[in-house]
Amino acid sequence: EVHLVESGGALVQPGGSLRLSCAASGFTFSKYWMAWVRQAPGKGLEWVASINLAGTEEYYVDSVRGRFTVSRDNAKNSLYLQLSSLGVDDTALYYCVRDHDAGYSWAYWGQGTLVSVSS
Amino acid sequence: QSALTQPASVSGSPGQSITISCTGISSDVGSYKFVSWYQQHPGKAPKLIIHEGTKRPSGVSNRFSGSKSGNTASLTISGLQAEDEADYYCYSHVDSSMFGGGTKLAVL
Repeated sequence: EVHLVESGGALVQPGGSLRLSCAASGFTFSKYWMAWVRQAPGKGLEWVASINLAGTEEYYVDSVRGRFTVSRDNAKNSLYLQLSSLGVDDTALYYCVRDHDAGYSWAYWGQGTLVSVSS
Repeated sequence: QSALTQPASVSGSPGQSITISCTGISSDVGSYKFVSWYQQHPGKAPKLIIHEGTKRPSGVSNRFSGSKSGNTASLTISGLQAEDEADYYCYSHVDSSMFGGGTKLAVL
């Protein structure tokens, strides 16, 4: 059974940094694209970043490009998101997601880790 | 690809059918396979219910179906049930990745 477990969420001050982690199990991690999707309180879903199988291609939504970095460690079955220069608009529940077998969609979701940016 | 636009809310009675639209999908024929739909109940993680425009993942009820016409993708839920009350999001992977704004479905 596929499991995605996020961690690392916290309350941080504006301008601060944070590193989110996602521990994956139940599938061959190195064979799937992975991504982060976030959801601000009471708001809709927002795709944040994606990374390819080898970790050599990264894609970002414009609002986080240059501030966030997605990475993966296939040996550790783990996905990461480094967040920096955080602003209040980055406050959200951050989900780790796995690609569908056929690609092009997000078949598995973790339960999310909460990032709160406030002074 | 421009923003994906969904109605803020739709409603229906048990047993009825409803359709949720998602406008802004690329009109390229091949782009349809990049459309997916997600269901999210309050306090829960989203769940994939349609991928590649029309396909249902294993375990998803056949009451859910996807279609496309021009630059609009649609999700139809037939035989509405109380458990279908949730938020629904479209997603497209063409040029850039983005979700629609979401639609709240009320089963009256």
